[in-house]
Amino acid sequence: EVVLTQSPATLSVSPGERATLSCRASQGVNSNLAWYQHKPGQAPRLLIYDASTRATDIPARFSGSGSGTEFTLTISSLQSEDFAIYYCQQYDAWPPVYTFGQGTKLQIK
Amino acid sequence: QVTLKQSGPALVKPTETLTLTCTFSGISVSTKEMRASWIRQRPGKALEWLARIDWDDEKFYRTSLKTRLTVSKDTSRNQVVLTVTNMDPVDTATYYCARQFCTYGVCRGYDLWGQGTLVTVSS
Repeated sequence: EVVLTQSPATLSVSPGERATLSCRASQGVNSNLAWYQHKPGQAPRLLIYDASTRATDIPARFSGSGSGTEFTLTISSLQSEDFAIYYCQQYDAWPPVYTFGQGTKLQIK
Repeated sequence: QVTLKQSGPALVKPTETLTLTCTFSGISVSTKEMRASWIRQRPGKALEWLARIDWDDEKFYRTSLKTRLTVSKDTSRNQVVLTVTNMDPVDTATYYCARQFCTYGVCRGYDLWGQGTLVTVSS
């Protein structure tokens, strides 16, 4: 099973600043990685797929990069609505066991 | 507009079988390239992928739970169903159904989600 390790576990950032979240895979997943935003009481929201492609209606301040085993989600200028938990997920494995990372909690500094 | 609406019990007893239903609107569960998965989140824990069913009825399961999970489609009702046998308090979680985004044979992340069902396992 592919293990995804996210860092840091918690990130404290002030509104308007940049946030950088990392996701490392235990084995290469090519670019088959997605990022989700998850707020309490809501379903997760797809932000990025194929490591760097923004999903529909996702603001340009969200960007993804990386391939293989190292991935990054960057939020360029944090808005109040961006404070949430962020998960990476790989969809490369065969047979498909699509693991998630343990999450990074992005909180207001 | 494609939507997923979940239904199922909020409370089950230990050893019972949980059955959750995800009703698709705006798309047929038999549409080519349709893939649906079940994902859960236990309290304070990360998202956990459980199972997947494809348009052609191919199925895949989380290895550690494979003996307890069954995913199926009811094409007449346009639904995807998850059953989990022998429920235990550690299975207390919010369960989600989700559609994997596929175009021209390439499938990516989950772009549509049900609203989630909080299932508590307690006697």
